[in-house]
Amino acid sequence: EAGVAQSPRYKIIEKRQSVAFWCNPISGHATLYWYQQILGQGPKLLIQFQNNGVVDDSQLPKDRFSAERLKGVDSTLKIQPAKLEDSAVYLCASSPDYNSPLHFGNGTRLTVT
Amino acid sequence: DQQVKQNSPSLSVQEGRISILNCDYTNSMFDYFLWYKKYPAEGPTFLISISSIKDKNEDGRFTVFLNKSAKHLSLHIVPSQPGDSAVYFCAASDPNTGNQFYFGTGTSLTVIP
Repeated sequence: EAGVAQSPRYKIIEKRQSVAFWCNPISGHATLYWYQQILGQGPKLLIQFQNNGVVDDSQLPKDRFSAERLKGVDSTLKIQPAKLEDSAVYLCASSPDYNSPLHFGNGTRLTVT
Repeated sequence: DQQVKQNSPSLSVQEGRISILNCDYTNSMFDYFLWYKKYPAEGPTFLISISSIKDKNEDGRFTVFLNKSAKHLSLHIVPSQPGDSAVYFCAASDPNTGNQFYFGTGTSLTVIP
């Protein structure tokens, strides 16, 4: 089966600019996650979708971050405006249901200068 | 608030010997635990899991042990191989928060040939 696809792989922007990341989960996986991984730390959940509904977005900085999941399949994560501390790897993951392992994409490495 | 902790940032082991990676957690409601392996520039890859109703799960060279009373789990790799060199993350799931997965900060394993 095809894995979780993410694009772009790398992005460099200046602070106060906007950026968007795209994720295509494994076919049939109902649950989709966006994680932020800062260098030297473990992945931190930003938002969790079940189909196209939000399950948990309590750790999403909603003044600058937004996310949507189109028709319960693809998802986009946007940052506007970006800050220096947003420099991180943004990982998308999907799973078929609760208490199943997450399948991760290769991530997008964002550098904010 | 780090609910899942990996207190050893790095570990070096000789090829053929046992690698033991440790993980501690604070939330007694966690009921599902996973280990992930991550190579540079790739997303985490699922390795092995264990449910809280068990205290051991084996898959080939990999065994996970769970001690619920101590809130501790460990991953044993026997025998260790150079290809096992990677960063290992433990993760735990809380059914009370939509099965959100909480990750540790990772342990970098180096297997010396």
